[in-house]
Amino acid sequence: SQTIHQWPATLVQPVGSPLSLECTVEGTSNPNLYWYRQAAGRGLQLLFYSVGIGQISSEVPQNLSASRPQDRQFILSSKKLLLSDSGFYLCAWQGDSLGPQHFGDGTRLSIL
Amino acid sequence: TQLLEQSPQFLSIQEGENLTVYCNSSSVFSSLQWYRQEPGEGPVLLVTVVTGGEVKKLKRLTFQFGDARKDSSLHITAAQPGDTGLYLCAGRIGGGSNYKLTFGKGTLLTVNP
Repeated sequence: SQTIHQWPATLVQPVGSPLSLECTVEGTSNPNLYWYRQAAGRGLQLLFYSVGIGQISSEVPQNLSASRPQDRQFILSSKKLLLSDSGFYLCAWQGDSLGPQHFGDGTRLSIL
Repeated sequence: TQLLEQSPQFLSIQEGENLTVYCNSSSVFSSLQWYRQEPGEGPVLLVTVVTGGEVKKLKRLTFQFGDARKDSSLHITAAQPGDTGLYLCAGRIGGGSNYKLTFGKGTLLTVNP
């Protein structure tokens, strides 16, 4: 069966520090991968998605970037965090273009 | 502009009551999913509907996709405290190379014992 792992579960970082959140998927090949941010337990804002290694689509201009160095690995990064980057970050995978998305357990990021 | 409107935003009911939450759009969706999310966790898929007029049942939960595939509803019978959570609908507009889901803002349901 397929599983998705996201870490860390929580992270507290100072303003201006770098960020790296990692997401890996097991049990499937060539998944579509997604990074979302969720504010205050409400709707999900799509940040990035990837349909293959090295292919990244950015949805909103922001202080973040994404990379997909391997088929089942998706990384969310920032060189300098802002206070506004605080939130709940979710990674998801999708097996085919018409199927649902399956989510990791998320990372709670707090910027001080 | 919010493509997917969910209502109500908040719902607090007593155990045993029935409820319906709605997901509406002016866009046609090729498929629509419902998710439930508990605090501090990722959303968990409940159901996918793809055919206009489709009805799916998952124990006490009944999901319906509108005939025109622009709206959906989720009905819960005899709600239990374990049903508490954020219910999100998400739809895919068009098909083919559209890999993105549009999410509503969710209905936050609290079922009191």
